[in-house]
Amino acid sequence: QVQLVESGGGVVQPGRSLRLSCAASGFTFSSYGMHWVRQAPGKGLEWVAVIWYDGSNKYYADSVKGRFTISRDNSKNTLYLQMNSLRAEDTAVYYCARDSQTTPALWYFDLWGRGTLVTVSS
Amino acid sequence: DIVMTQSPDSLAVSLGERATINCKSSQSVLYSSNNKNYLAWYQQKPGQPPKLLIYWASTRESGVPDRFSGSGSGTDFTLTISSLQAEDVAVYYCQQYYSTPQVTFGPGTKVDIK
Repeated sequence: QVQLVESGGGVVQPGRSLRLSCAASGFTFSSYGMHWVRQAPGKGLEWVAVIWYDGSNKYYADSVKGRFTISRDNSKNTLYLQMNSLRAEDTAVYYCARDSQTTPALWYFDLWGRGTLVTVSS
Repeated sequence: DIVMTQSPDSLAVSLGERATINCKSSQSVLYSSNNKNYLAWYQQKPGQPPKLLIYWASTRESGVPDRFSGSGSGTDFTLTISSLQAEDVAVYYCQQYYSTPQVTFGPGTKVDIK
């Protein structure tokens, strides 16, 4: 069925790195822009990053710019988020989410994964 | 960045009664060239990811019950649940997608049963 499954979360010390993955199935992954959205414990939603369907464009929230890198492998139907120089304030559930339209991207999200928890703590 | 606010922070409504959630943007999200409001609503139940309910301020996503409706234009928007059901207990978020790449969400409104 149509789904997104995140993995790679865990506990990491401040300043260290972590890579998240999101496996897509049930739809033509290579046709959609993909986003990461995060949610700190008990808090609201924060958009993190987007990558165009073909990887040609990437954009980041100011809070993660220069530290996080979004990428994708369309041959593996997988989205990634490389997170470097992690801070305590990056602690959150990270969701991957599909853009609602193939192209151009519309920047609202019609399919979400269940999320993976990243905890940054010493 | 466009700042989104929601009111109330929480509300409790009796089963079968109407629930109304307000969302306000710090600047207009109405795109004049196509007369569309770049505003979406999501529902998040406990322990679950968000689910898209409404986009373009008033268009229901496929499969969403018709008791959910969205209205408003410019900077002021409303999500209405016409007859609250037990399964509607959730936090509801609005999101603007007018100002990209910095799309922003409201802080959420928690809906409970009275």
